[in-house]
Amino acid sequence: QKEVEQNSGPLSVPEGAIASLNCTYSDRGSQSFFWYRQYSGKSPELIMFIYSNGDKEDGRFTAQLNKASQYVSLLIRDSQPSDSATYLCAVRHLVTSGTYKYIFGTGTRLKVLA
Amino acid sequence: DAGVTQSPTHLIKTRGQHVTLRCSPISGHKSVSWYQQVLGQGPQFIFQYYEKEERGRGNFPDRFSARQFPNYSSELNVNALLLGDSALYLCASSLDFLSGELFFGEGSRLTVL
Repeated sequence: QKEVEQNSGPLSVPEGAIASLNCTYSDRGSQSFFWYRQYSGKSPELIMFIYSNGDKEDGRFTAQLNKASQYVSLLIRDSQPSDSATYLCAVRHLVTSGTYKYIFGTGTRLKVLA
Repeated sequence: DAGVTQSPTHLIKTRGQHVTLRCSPISGHKSVSWYQQVLGQGPQFIFQYYEKEERGRGNFPDRFSARQFPNYSSELNVNALLLGDSALYLCASSLDFLSGELFFGEGSRLTVL
């Protein structure tokens, strides 16, 4: 089992719709959860992070975390063609005192159709 | 303000050679991490440095090494290059080793022939 799993997609949604991106993780000790956006040929860019169970909203983006189900998701409201990119889920957990491990999923490719 | 800068942006090496990649973090950031990204995969963690000390190491062979300098810039060294080392090498800067918010440079694309 991969430590961080994402559906590779592509996930296609029409412009203006809600895009829902999902991620599961295997280590129950994971503490911090991040979503990065990566355009083709570019480096990842942090969109959101979430540390506690529940929802966290930032503009058109909402991150949702359910630690009991080991599940984190990203909702993008009013999707725009410019949102078309690969979305990487990342999880961080403490390995030993003072060191952390940061694990990325393989990413979900999102296509927003105009 | 300048973001994370990496050099070189592209390089081609042959098997068995050595490569050094360089990274300058965002001003005020004291931690640098290195990642390897193969096409179609997510970034894989190689190292994290904070205040010149190694604070994390991924599952990479000893051919991979890194260091951080007093000005917080960093180098990643890879010895005895293999074809499988061909990838995009990303440097990420963060405020300190506790902060999980990573700011990535544009990467160094390494091709090993």
